[in-house]
Amino acid sequence: QSVLTQPPSASGTPGQRVTISCSGSSSNIESNYVYWYQQLPGTAPKLLIYRNNQRPSGVPDRFSGSKSGTSASLAISGLRSEDEADYYCATWDDSLGGRLFGGGTKLTVL
Amino acid sequence: QITLKESGPTLVRPTQTLTLTCTFSGFSLSTTGVGVGWIRQPPGKALEWLALIYWDDDKRCSPSLESRLTITKDTSKNQVVLTMTNMDPVDTATYYCAHRSYSYDEFDQWGPGTLVTVSS
Repeated sequence: QSVLTQPPSASGTPGQRVTISCSGSSSNIESNYVYWYQQLPGTAPKLLIYRNNQRPSGVPDRFSGSKSGTSASLAISGLRSEDEADYYCATWDDSLGGRLFGGGTKLTVL
Repeated sequence: QITLKESGPTLVRPTQTLTLTCTFSGFSLSTTGVGVGWIRQPPGKALEWLALIYWDDDKRCSPSLESRLTITKDTSKNQVVLTMTNMDPVDTATYYCAHRSYSYDEFDQWGPGTLVTVSS
């Protein structure tokens, strides 16, 4: 069981806005940057969000990140069929002294 | 263009040592701020961070696996090597290496991954 808690699944219809949460603690999310990855089936993860809410070049502005206290969220607006993937949050944990990934959320576009 | 590729055995026997090599191009591991990390993913499960080595040879390993992991770099060959001792069937996973970007503080380019099966 991951230290960072994500809902195992999420879904939405094309055009909708979907949010995926990532819950942690004071030793990880609250005191460190949060990152988000998208993993399409059978492929390596792709960096979507860095430093809580920044997008790498090439990532559409439909993807946005936020953080408040011990939780973080990834929002996807204007949902598209190609957004169907697994999404992971990641951060550092000061108590454990290591990098953490969330358990992942499988997004289904209905 | 940054590319990375993992190589190593696809099948390892229990108790053996796994050695994986990440061969990369498009960047130098002597550039300030750059790093190369290893992450694994058991079939159908979540990502797990294993280790990271920085341009200055600073190394970080997962606390839960630290006693079994060694990460080294060969800057002249553009390679990073991960060794994991005492392999067990639960270590069966796809192993990825990734470029840690100075700009993003994170893994912005990944290799395709290599599936390692631990079985007798």
